[in-house]
Amino acid sequence: DTAVSQTPKYLVTQMGNDKSIKCEQNLGHDTMYWYKQDSKKFLKIMFSYNNKELIINETVPNRFSPKSPDKAHLNLHINSLELGDSAVYFCASMSSRNTEAFFGQGTRLTVV
Amino acid sequence: AQSVTQLGSHVSVSEGALVLLRCNYSSSVPPYLFWYVQYPNQGLQLLLKYTTGATLVKGINGFEAEFKKSETSFHLTKPSAHMSDAAEYFCAVSGRSGGSNYKLTFGKGTLLTVNP
Repeated sequence: DTAVSQTPKYLVTQMGNDKSIKCEQNLGHDTMYWYKQDSKKFLKIMFSYNNKELIINETVPNRFSPKSPDKAHLNLHINSLELGDSAVYFCASMSSRNTEAFFGQGTRLTVV
Repeated sequence: AQSVTQLGSHVSVSEGALVLLRCNYSSSVPPYLFWYVQYPNQGLQLLLKYTTGATLVKGINGFEAEFKKSETSFHLTKPSAHMSDAAEYFCAVSGRSGGSNYKLTFGKGTLLTVNP
């Protein structure tokens, strides 16, 4: 069983479109994250949710809107996609009792 | 505030040679420190972590790291490199950031290549 799963793994779309990336964790963790990895492999936190509440928002454009319907899911919706949004997006989860973060396999988003 | 500096964006070693990947951190609170590995087109996998206790930490695949508070360092080592160790390695630090959860801040990564 995959602990943190993201769909889709690859996403190619045109500028201006709206797209969503889904993330689910089956670890029973109460905190979930979205990270963005750029072309230089730099990993930067975007959002963090704890028990469905937004805890961290790292000055991400309003076009990015996370949604957490329950503790096991954290989806990322992106409006009006731009070329600069092309990156690999990683979902992660963590238990508040254990500082180890578990990462999904990533979603490679390409905006053309 | 917290930050991580990984010295050397690319390290190249011969198979069987010592691997040393350098990491220095900055944290306003006692840090938790991590090394993650990323193989091509894969997610991040935890190699090892330091939270409290013994400062020499052993991880998977023969890697270890030593937390040195006086030097604010957490360098990753492996006595003998294997071809399968070729990957991107990330050092990370965590500390509380609002509410009850931790925020992981990553270094820029070090690409390790292993030559036959």
